[in-house]
Amino acid sequence: ETGVTQTPRHLVMGMTNKKSLKCEQHLGHNAMYWYKQSAKKPLELMFVYNFKEQTENNSVPSRFSPECPNSSHLFLHLHTLQPEDSALYLCASSQGAGTGSQETQYFGPGTRLLVL
Amino acid sequence: DQQVKQNSPSLSVQEGRISILNCDYTNSMFDYFLWYKKYPAEGPTFLISISSIKDKNEDGRFTVFLNKSAKHLSLHIVPSQPGDSAVYFCAASFDNNDMRFGAGTRLTVKP
Repeated sequence: ETGVTQTPRHLVMGMTNKKSLKCEQHLGHNAMYWYKQSAKKPLELMFVYNFKEQTENNSVPSRFSPECPNSSHLFLHLHTLQPEDSALYLCASSQGAGTGSQETQYFGPGTRLLVL
Repeated sequence: DQQVKQNSPSLSVQEGRISILNCDYTNSMFDYFLWYKKYPAEGPTFLISISSIKDKNEDGRFTVFLNKSAKHLSLHIVPSQPGDSAVYFCAASFDNNDMRFGAGTRLTVKP
């Protein structure tokens, strides 16, 4: 399988549940990203991992917890979410390098999350 | 603070005609610009990019123009095809880890 894959594609959870989103990239990249896309809003960057180290956390609430065990896998652990957290969660990857480089990010298909 | 703006939420064109999608940005530090295309139930797909050292980049039917003084970029699709119907996002970055996206423009190409 090639590209960036995400599972599950759809998820419905209650506010007291704990669930995890999984992302895997088969591109040999070293940087991975989580984005949130709410209806009619721009993609919002949540977390960035570069060579397995978290380099960015854009003021994301602690009910979202990322994990990057290696350069190919990225998880987003969810607990005690709110209905306003319902959105499309996209994972992306890029080559990964120092600052100043111009990189293209490649996206997975996303997980459509509904919090009841 | 929305640093990348796509002011037209939708655009409709006839098959065979030119589609022009516009994007404005506010941060003069941005040095790399991209367009992504998104079909329903899929993630954004990279389409074309341009570095700030250029003002035009062409790839087949797709051309991106960059006007740095106006902080404006545009995507031209010619000729437009029904399969081009999708949501188009522009994105800009000045650091490979900090990419900002517009809200998207929904393009409909009518047969």
